[in-house]
Amino acid sequence: QPVLTQSSSASASLGSSVKLTCTLSSGHSSYIIAWHQQQPGKAPRYLMKLEGSGSYNKGSGVPDRFSGSSSGADRYLTISNLQSEDEADYYCETWDSNTRVFGGGTKLTVL
Amino acid sequence: QVQLVQSGAEVKKPGASVKVSCKASGYTFTSYGISWVRQAPGQGLEWMGWISAYNGNTNYAQKLQGRVTMTTDTSTSTAYMELRSLRSDDTAVYYCARNDNWGLVDYWGQGTLVTVSS
Repeated sequence: QPVLTQSSSASASLGSSVKLTCTLSSGHSSYIIAWHQQQPGKAPRYLMKLEGSGSYNKGSGVPDRFSGSSSGADRYLTISNLQSEDEADYYCETWDSNTRVFGGGTKLTVL
Repeated sequence: QVQLVQSGAEVKKPGASVKVSCKASGYTFTSYGISWVRQAPGQGLEWMGWISAYNGNTNYAQKLQGRVTMTTDTSTSTAYMELRSLRSDDTAVYYCARNDNWGLVDYWGQGTLVTVSS
């Protein structure tokens, strides 16, 4: 089954941009993933689905500041014009052979 | 709009069982699957299993096989997750989530805190 690897933490300044990475394990580089945001004390929220081609499809109400891209086994979530409310944990998700997998999550701090 | 509304918090003793409900609205219930995901305090998301609301087929995470059962009631558009033989490390927030046609989660419930303590 696929494994998703994420950095444990990231930080960026208010108003700047940040690019978070989710890396698919060997043999799974073509997989579609989803990105989810979890603000402190809240349930996760679906952000987007992202294909290996770099094509992405955002959920309802997700701001234009959020975008996705891909390169090989890497799936990226870029947040532009960072706001304080973007400080959250970000998880990637995929599935294979009836098993669903989450990455360990990246804690984003907005400075 | 799609909504998944879960039952309230539970406190259970070790060895007991818990059953969490997830009532869906705003879409055709039988056209999508439901996953259950849990999150222990301060930890990441852990997938527990999935059920097809169309035919009731299930897939469970290997570590929970034998202790978890997922069911649906299509007459009320409600999914259920029962976890038996509870241990202290089952203390977590339990989420239901809708799976889209690609198999990925696209909506989440608000979560149900289950505390296992003697």
